[in-house]
Amino acid sequence: GDSVTQMEGPVTLSEEAFLTINCTYTATGYPSLFWYVQYPGEGLQLLLKATKADDKGSNKGFEATYRKETTSFHLEKGSVQVSDSAVYFCALRGGNQFYFGTGTSLTVIP
Amino acid sequence: DAGITQSPRHKVTETGTPVTLRCHQTENHRYMYWYRQDPGHGLRLIHYSYGVKDTDKGEVSDGYSVSRSKTEDFLLTLESATSSQTSVYFCAISESTSGRSNYEQYFGPGTRLTVT
Repeated sequence: GDSVTQMEGPVTLSEEAFLTINCTYTATGYPSLFWYVQYPGEGLQLLLKATKADDKGSNKGFEATYRKETTSFHLEKGSVQVSDSAVYFCALRGGNQFYFGTGTSLTVIP
Repeated sequence: DAGITQSPRHKVTETGTPVTLRCHQTENHRYMYWYRQDPGHGLRLIHYSYGVKDTDKGEVSDGYSVSRSKTEDFLLTLESATSSQTSVYFCAISESTSGRSNYEQYFGPGTRLTVT
């Protein structure tokens, strides 16, 4: 069945460091891919998405490219800020269901 | 922000009691979902609905039932709560049109349920 595997956390970075959170997927067909962010005590918010191979989703300095050949959708940001501290979830949509990774906790220290 | 509310936001209940959580949307989205979030498991789908009175089971549906009598409301019921159902519950909505599957989900703020 469809599934998502993402990098285990927690991840701790200094402010202005480069961020990569790895995400790979298994799916039949051509799923849409998403990154969600969750701040403490809140629900998940859509961060970015890509709907077909080679699409690049981007938002708030975060980027991820849909790589069909490697079944990956890695999240990157060139310079993280303290306000980026949160839990990040990779997800795919297969049909009318969504499949989520287990989440990666990011802490950015000043 | 998508108009999704959940009630109650926090609840403490005793083992064996029935509990109903409510999700309400103002977006007229066709699909509604209930997830639970637990450390180390991410989000796991409990049930979802693809229209009024149309529901289906998810990955962890045992011990839960749902109902959707109106487009805007999706209820999750724990018939007899157990300690293993202590969790944070999230409702989500999504839209879908024929032949397209690229619509994202929007999430409610969550309900923290503690079963003692």
